[in-house]
Amino acid sequence: GQQVMQIPQYQHVQEGEDFTTYCNSSTTLSNIQWYKQRPGGHPVFLIQLVKSGEVKKQKRLTFQFGEAKKNSSLHITATQTTDVGTYFCAGRGSNYQLIWGAGTKLIIKP
Amino acid sequence: GAGVSQSPSNKVTEKGKDVELRCDPISGHTALYWYRQSLGQGLEFLIYFQGNSAPDKSGLPSDRFSAERTGGSVSTLTIQRTQQEDSAVYLCASSLVFGRAWGANVLTFGAGSRLTVL
Repeated sequence: GQQVMQIPQYQHVQEGEDFTTYCNSSTTLSNIQWYKQRPGGHPVFLIQLVKSGEVKKQKRLTFQFGEAKKNSSLHITATQTTDVGTYFCAGRGSNYQLIWGAGTKLIIKP
Repeated sequence: GAGVSQSPSNKVTEKGKDVELRCDPISGHTALYWYRQSLGQGLEFLIYFQGNSAPDKSGLPSDRFSAERTGGSVSTLTIQRTQQEDSAVYLCASSLVFGRAWGANVLTFGAGSRLTVL
């Protein structure tokens, strides 16, 4: 079946360093969504990318959707403590179901 | 309502008992989803509803799990004869529609129901 692989599973960074998480699909996606889950919280929608090669920015967050619509990335510049949490990608497959990545946990080193 | 409401927020039960988890989606949202999240893990899809019908039940882990939605609104997830491996947070989400319409398929999640089976 369709799968979305998300790496890395964890990323430890010093506050102020950058963070990146990557998602790769085995098949072409119609769109991809990103969600953030704070510790103890529930996933919250961040953004949806639809077009091939699309790049969107939200302040320090940059989201990309690959040309082949099979991969996506989220890059955070100069991480802050408020960025802590798990970031999930979710791609919409051929049957319109969302296929979720396993998530990348952003941890700020003390 | 303004958001997705789930109840109970916490449920502790004994092995073998039945439990019911309730989800009240955002008013007007036709699609409703149930997910399960074990501690520190990702989201496991269970079932979704479009209106009152459930086109995809493939994610339900066993026949002890069932869900229904009445009146196109409130949904109940029932777990019969609970087992310790059922312990998890059960998340409900809703979206305006199911499908690829721009923006209409964005999921809004509830705070979840944490189930502990002793």
